[in-house]
Amino acid sequence: AQSVTQLGSHVSVSEGALVLLRCNYSSSVPPYLFWYVQYPNQGLQLLLKYTSAATLVKGINGFEAEFKKSETSFHLTKPSAHMSDAAEYFCAVSPNAGKSTFGDGTTLTVKP
Amino acid sequence: DTAVSQTPKYLVTQMGNDKSIKCEQNLGHDTMYWYKQDSKKFLKIMFSYNNKELIINETVPNRFSPKSPDKAHLNLHINSLELGDSAVYFCASSQELTENYGYTFGSGTRLTVV
Repeated sequence: AQSVTQLGSHVSVSEGALVLLRCNYSSSVPPYLFWYVQYPNQGLQLLLKYTSAATLVKGINGFEAEFKKSETSFHLTKPSAHMSDAAEYFCAVSPNAGKSTFGDGTTLTVKP
Repeated sequence: DTAVSQTPKYLVTQMGNDKSIKCEQNLGHDTMYWYKQDSKKFLKIMFSYNNKELIINETVPNRFSPKSPDKAHLNLHINSLELGDSAVYFCASSQELTENYGYTFGSGTRLTVV
């Protein structure tokens, strides 16, 4: 069985500040890990994914995430927040590219 | 070209009615899903089909019935709608068990039961 915990249902940062969204996972087999973004009134869009290759994964819109097996974490970061980054972010885990389990989501607010 | 398209985008209906939501994907993916997103944005899987075969059927009332006429289509029919069915329903597709794995979502259907 697999599960995902996103720490912090709401994160607020100032424009230009570092964005850090936390995700911890539990999986009985080597996992595939994902971050998705959902803008208001839209579907989810894949930001990036870890598939057992490089542990530092770069995604779209300047986001990246690092897989840390020892910490069972896959935190999402962006060096400088932009107003357009305000959205809902979901972490997801999948065992060997099977069914994905989603976290509860983190709402990112970016203040001017 | 839209990769995963759902219709309708909005659906307002009265309690007790029967309604359907349609989903089509043009990505050639083998697997399609229905997810329900509630007012707190929690995502819950409802069904999954792989090549027209039902492979995931979570604890969903049997008023909900998915149908997949072919691997590019997955429709959701809901009988006797209830107030608690109000939510956003997302269709998604993926190519499981491959390095290209990852979900492609439709834009959602906002169902409001009054």
